[in-house]
Amino acid sequence: EPEVTQTPSHQVTQMGQEVILRCVPISNHLYFYWYRQILGQKVEFLVSFYNNEISEKSEIFDDQFSVERPDGSNFTLKIRSTKLEDSAMYFCASSDSKQYFGPGTRLLVL
Amino acid sequence: QQQVKQSPQSLIVQKGGISIINCAYENTAFDYFPWYQQFPGKGPALLIAIRPDVSEKKEGRFTISFNKSAKQFSLHIMDSQPGDSATYFCAASKRGAGNNRKLIWGLGTSLAVNP
Repeated sequence: EPEVTQTPSHQVTQMGQEVILRCVPISNHLYFYWYRQILGQKVEFLVSFYNNEISEKSEIFDDQFSVERPDGSNFTLKIRSTKLEDSAMYFCASSDSKQYFGPGTRLLVL
Repeated sequence: QQQVKQSPQSLIVQKGGISIINCAYENTAFDYFPWYQQFPGKGPALLIAIRPDVSEKKEGRFTISFNKSAKQFSLHIMDSQPGDSATYFCAASKRGAGNNRKLIWGLGTSLAVNP
């Protein structure tokens, strides 16, 4: 069964550093999403992506965040200058009509 | 308007019992209500979903009951098994810009099924 994969599974970084989280969506899906889950809190929508552009983004998704699909398979989330409060589990999802989630990347900003 | 409220926060059920998790929403524009199951260290996995044109959907031991007038929906797990022990999330969505469907999530319910 096709699945969404994410790398790395864990990332530790220093505050102010750039991180890139990678996702490989299910191959025939057209809609892609990033969500995050701060420990003990609810899952929050960050951004949706369709047809090589952002279709919707949340208030969390400020200028420090960007997404791209550089090669038609990978879907990346870049955080330019990480803050302590960016520490969370980041989930990628791809969708035909239903959303399928990857296993997540646990980001820890020190 | 965008909130989805989920209860209880945690639930302990005996093997063979019925687990019931409840959610309530505010935005009447929501038209898709999925339940996700998440095991530790894994991403959420779609369990079952319902649209508001039906009041109940059953898949195996899992049933969603939907009350459109009350803006509530619930997940029932019949004959609960220790392997059902996980965190369960309800969510809601509506069609948005570019036909995307961002999910608005409940806080989650940690279910433990005792053997």
